[in-house]
Amino acid sequence: EAGVTQSPTHLIKTRGQQATLRCSPISGHTSVYWYQQALGLGLQFLLWYDEGEERNRGNFPPRFSGRQFPNYSSELNVNALELEDSALYLCASLGGGYGYTFGSGTRLTVV
Amino acid sequence: SQELEQSPQSLIVQEGKNLTINCTSSKTLYGLYWYKQKYGEGLIFLMMLQKGGEEKSHEKITAKLDEKKQQSSLHITASQPSHAGIYLCGARERNGGSQGNLIFGKGTKLSVKP
Repeated sequence: EAGVTQSPTHLIKTRGQQATLRCSPISGHTSVYWYQQALGLGLQFLLWYDEGEERNRGNFPPRFSGRQFPNYSSELNVNALELEDSALYLCASLGGGYGYTFGSGTRLTVV
Repeated sequence: SQELEQSPQSLIVQEGKNLTINCTSSKTLYGLYWYKQKYGEGLIFLMMLQKGGEEKSHEKITAKLDEKKQQSSLHITASQPSHAGIYLCGARERNGGSQGNLIFGKGTKLSVKP
């Protein structure tokens, strides 16, 4: 069974640009969670999607947004990139009695 | 909002020694998860504890949940270099129900000296 897959692995953007990150959950998992892990700040909850709806949002500005598609894959968009958005972005899906399964992440670097 | 505090923040142990990492919640725990992370990589699921007093073991790692104290501990016996990494505890936010998002502690960085 394939795990949670994230793409791209690395992304380099210029300040002010937009970044799009993608996540495919484990087959059959309907909930997708996005997290930001910036240096020194720990793992911060960003967004939770379930059945195509946003269920909860962390303490992040509106320029962090996303969506979930009918096949349960998800997209995280970060607009007007700032230098402090540089971080590892992790996606997780839930199901199967094994807790939350995480992908390997997308390393976003804003220059 | 709920917060998780982990201690210690970092730990250096000699190979073969035992160690304990603690995770304390500011609010009632509704499930506690332990993960391990290699630097810059995704999280590897270790254990999930859901009931007060519950204790689970896998290989040389044991986790316990003390619901009354709103605390969990992770104990590694006879540490090996392969145990090195960042250990994170996570708890589900109450308002999310059984599928709610996890919040995490800041992690404990473990180094094991051969």
